[in-house]
Amino acid sequence: DVQVVESGGGLVQPGGSLRLSCAASGFTFSSPPMHWVRQAPGKGLQSVAAISGNGLDTYYANSVRDRFTISRDNSKDTLFLYMGSLRPEDMAIYYCVREGKPGTYDFWGRGTPVTVSS
Amino acid sequence: DVVMTQSPLSLPVALGQPASISCRSSQGLVFSDGNTYLNWFQQRPGQSPRRLIYEVSKRDPGVPDRFSGSGSGTDFTLKISRVEAEDVGVYYCMQGSHWPWTFGQGTKVEIK
Repeated sequence: DVQVVESGGGLVQPGGSLRLSCAASGFTFSSPPMHWVRQAPGKGLQSVAAISGNGLDTYYANSVRDRFTISRDNSKDTLFLYMGSLRPEDMAIYYCVREGKPGTYDFWGRGTPVTVSS
Repeated sequence: DVVMTQSPLSLPVALGQPASISCRSSQGLVFSDGNTYLNWFQQRPGQSPRRLIYEVSKRDPGVPDRFSGSGSGTDFTLKISRVEAEDVGVYYCMQGSHWPWTFGQGTKVEIK
């Protein structure tokens, strides 16, 4: 069965950094693009970052560009999101999501919560 | 960014009655490959989103056939032919044609 499990969330002070991980199993991880999508408390969904299957192409929402870095280790079936210069508005549940077909998210993890507060 | 506008934002529906959610995009969603990447997701309370519909009208395996998607250009619709108790949750449209992919605000479906 396809499975993606996020980890690394937690409490961080404004201006701090955090690295999220997403361990994947049940599919050929190196094939599909992967994404991070976040959901602020009680709010809607926002696509944050995406990475191609081979890791060479990355994409970011304007609100996180230059602060966040998406990467992947296909030898370890793991997706990462490095988050720097964190702001209170970055507080959210961060989901690891597979782009199984172009233009769509076909599988979501359970998410990992990130709290930005002093 | 492409703005996705859903209506209504709240939808009380009696059991067994139909429901319809509208989603309008600020730009056309036809991708360079000719496909239209418009999706619908359901998020039940306390759960991760789950895809119901992709490419406007293709239903995911396991999704009841009471859910259907339609539309073209900039106007899209999700219909539930007969609402059941398990359909309670928030429904989001999402476009995957232009980066950043963007979601509608969500429509909360509840039982009247």
